[in-house]
Amino acid sequence: QQQVKQSPQSLIVQKGGISIINCAYENTAFDYFPWYQQFPGKGPALLIAIRPDVSEKKEGRFTISFNKSAKQFSLHIMDSQPGDSATYFCAASDSGNQFYFGTGTSLTVIP
Amino acid sequence: NAGVMQNPRHLVRRRGQEARLRCSPMKGHSHVYWYRQLPEEGLKFMVYLQKENIIDESGMPKERFSAEFPKEGPSILRIQQVVRGDSAAYFCASSPGTGTKNIQYFGAGTRLSVL
Repeated sequence: QQQVKQSPQSLIVQKGGISIINCAYENTAFDYFPWYQQFPGKGPALLIAIRPDVSEKKEGRFTISFNKSAKQFSLHIMDSQPGDSATYFCAASDSGNQFYFGTGTSLTVIP
Repeated sequence: NAGVMQNPRHLVRRRGQEARLRCSPMKGHSHVYWYRQLPEEGLKFMVYLQKENIIDESGMPKERFSAEFPKEGPSILRIQQVVRGDSAAYFCASSPGTGTKNIQYFGAGTRLSVL
């Protein structure tokens, strides 16, 4: 059973465009929602994270939007650049031991 | 401050051999997590350890897999009698604490290939 559902599986965006990746969850006990960026051959790197007491968090070109009632959260990458091309994973945790990861979105930003 | 260090980066084993994967957490982190990543899939939790203790091994296969995090030295994920299905990338993450301090930082992974 996939605790966190992520879409789309792959995404192609023009340079300068907005990339949007969506995640949904069922467990209302989740209270920490990080996004990870992974380049080929590398480990996932923490990009940005949010807790459910806020509806949005912005760091540079990266924004998380969080909808607690819909149990959904999304990553927006503004002014997407070729260097942003990577696989992005959302995750959720209930402050316990486990992080539950989405299946990943492969983002390609074309010049 | 060095990040999470994993070695080896690549490991090739024949069926039936043993694989040992090592993970040194970030300085000051005493919580270690192991994940497995299969191609085209997300990361699947395997085990959570603190120094000398296994806290949660609910994601670990019941047979052939074991993990330890000794008082001194790195955490070790051990796979005995490897089979082709064990081929995957294994990632270690460390965190400085639990609850709201459970912010996990990942190593570069060990890619295990079983021939």
